[in-house]
Amino acid sequence: EVQLMESGGGLVQPGGSLRLSCGASGFTFDSAGMSWVRQVPGKGLEWVSSIISGSGGTTFYADSVKGRFTISRDNPKNTVYLQMTSLRAADTAVYYCATLTHLWMTNWGQGTLVSVSS
Amino acid sequence: EIVLTQSPATLSLSPGERATLSCRASQSVDNYLAWYQQKPGQAPRLLIYDASHRATGIPARFSGSGSGTDFTLTISNLEPEDFAVYYCQQRTNWPRMYTFGQGTKLEIK
Repeated sequence: EVQLMESGGGLVQPGGSLRLSCGASGFTFDSAGMSWVRQVPGKGLEWVSSIISGSGGTTFYADSVKGRFTISRDNPKNTVYLQMTSLRAADTAVYYCATLTHLWMTNWGQGTLVSVSS
Repeated sequence: EIVLTQSPATLSLSPGERATLSCRASQSVDNYLAWYQQKPGQAPRLLIYDASHRATGIPARFSGSGSGTDFTLTISNLEPEDFAVYYCQQRTNWPRMYTFGQGTKLEIK
């Protein structure tokens, strides 16, 4: 069974940084693309970032986070990360990690809440 | 940038009825469209990919159709657990980005 578990969310001040982690199990992690998707409570889904499978490290970002967020993966640890810097109030959301199969987010974690506020 | 527009915003139906949800793309996405279901307090779940293929474990009452710019998610014989928010999603190859529609809330009438 595929399992994804996000951690690292919390309250941070504007301009601050936070690193989210997503631990994976139940599938061959290094063969899977991974993504982060966020959702402002009560609102819709917004894709944040993706990283392709393997160790090549090709990454993609939404314009809203480009230059501020960095996605990475540690295949031996079966973990994908989202390093978030220069955080803004608009970044407040639940952040989900998801497996990326071809074009689609096939399995999702339960999410971790990030709140940016002074 | 391709924009996905879902309609209606809210759909009120009764269990046993048929639901028809629409997703329109601002330009052709061929058949590269997916549908997700999200229940309150839960993560989204992939229902349909490549416009018409059911994901693993998805009941046959869920079906997807369409290509190009107009897509439909049909849920026949609504069950109580089907009342949720539904999102469509596509991927643009260059620049690489993934876009979701704004969602359709399917509520019990």
